[in-house]
Amino acid sequence: DSGVTQTPKHLITATGQRVTLRCSPRSGDLSVYWYQQSLDQGLQFLIQYYNGEERAKGNILERFSAQQFPDLHSELNLSSLELGDSALYFCASSVDLLAGVLNEQFFGPGTRLTVL
Amino acid sequence: SQQGEEDPQALSIQEGENATMNCSYKTSINNLQWYRQNSGRGLVHLILIRSNEREKHSGRLRVTLDTSKKSSSLLITASRAADTASYFCATDERGSSNTGKLIFGQGTTLQVKP
Repeated sequence: DSGVTQTPKHLITATGQRVTLRCSPRSGDLSVYWYQQSLDQGLQFLIQYYNGEERAKGNILERFSAQQFPDLHSELNLSSLELGDSALYFCASSVDLLAGVLNEQFFGPGTRLTVL
Repeated sequence: SQQGEEDPQALSIQEGENATMNCSYKTSINNLQWYRQNSGRGLVHLILIRSNEREKHSGRLRVTLDTSKKSSSLLITASRAADTASYFCATDERGSSNTGKLIFGQGTTLQVKP
């Protein structure tokens, strides 16, 4: 158990819908990361938040957005869903912010999103 | 786009044998990490090696890093059936200061047969 929790574990929805994925980082971790894992794209970095502020963006679609709340939990919002959005979505957390410092990330169990 | 490319994509060995996985990356890095993923589950951090290190050990794991070739290898010695999983290398990007963004390779799927 990494200490990172994600809800829900599974989500089945239809095209065009909107969903929210939730992540609680390890106690004391200020950085939260979101990743998408699909068969064709592999594991892709989406976005990072540090202490409530967005710090890095990857290949995140405009239909996707995220935020980190004062209690440090984070939500990833996916809207106008398409079949291709079906994937595993992982949240990870770490203590620090900077690349080059010990940057071990602790991953949650993931949310499996299926878009029908 | 993926930073790391891993080789082989799949590896099948007998219990007790050693498994070697290789990773190549494109840009300068501060550190390189290896993660393990059991089927459909979250990733587990295995080991981190800094750009100024050449080799690191952790239990049955040995990681090497050659920054001149932009490559790393993960060696699992005396493999066990429980080592069956996918293994990913991940790098940060030197110059991408103030972020912890990791770029993952495509992974190597290891099967260890009892």
